[in-house]
Amino acid sequence: AQSVSQHNHHVILSEAASLELGCNYSYGGTVNLFWYVQYPGQHLQLLLKNFSGDPLVKGIKGFEAEFIKSKFSFNLRKPSVQWSDTAEYFCAVNAPTGRRALTFGSGTRLQVQP
Amino acid sequence: NAGVTQTPKFQVLKTGQSMTLQCAQDMNHEYMSWYRQDPGMGLRLIHYSVGAGITDQGEVPNGYNVSRSTTEDFPLRLLSAAPSQTSVYFCASTRGGGSSYEQYFGPGTRLTVT
Repeated sequence: AQSVSQHNHHVILSEAASLELGCNYSYGGTVNLFWYVQYPGQHLQLLLKNFSGDPLVKGIKGFEAEFIKSKFSFNLRKPSVQWSDTAEYFCAVNAPTGRRALTFGSGTRLQVQP
Repeated sequence: NAGVTQTPKFQVLKTGQSMTLQCAQDMNHEYMSWYRQDPGMGLRLIHYSVGAGITDQGEVPNGYNVSRSTTEDFPLRLLSAAPSQTSVYFCASTRGGGSSYEQYFGPGTRLTVT
């Protein structure tokens, strides 16, 4: 079975600071990787996804994620955060040959202070 | 195109009551799923369906029932509500497989069981 770990539960940054949120997954085969964002009071939205195992994928709103296969990691990054990035961020995986549901990490709450 | 809709948005139940959370999608997706979101635990899969008439259990199915009589609708039933079922419930509809895979989430139902 797959599992996903997000190391940071709550991150507080000032505007213009750089962001890196950690995500590690456990699965023996090929996985599809995702980052979702949930703004306060809203539903989940897809930030980016990695189906091809690329080492770096770019998503919306200036986010990108680095995939290191040997470390089973898929870390989310943004060079300069804005107050509007305040949200909860979820890493998720699914196995391309299995059921199409996602396995989520526990989430990281990001608070950006102006 | 409304995407994924859920009703109600909020609900308060007493222990032992039953209710149905509604979910509908207008994207003609075969695959739909229900998750619950609890603080510090991310989203966990309750039940899923791969098409009309076909459902299966996820990670946390106890206390919940589902059916799928049409492609559009996937209701979640709480048989006898318990305080442990206090949570936010998200329905999702999944497009495609392979590189076109994407899950679309509804706005959620916040349920409180007293």
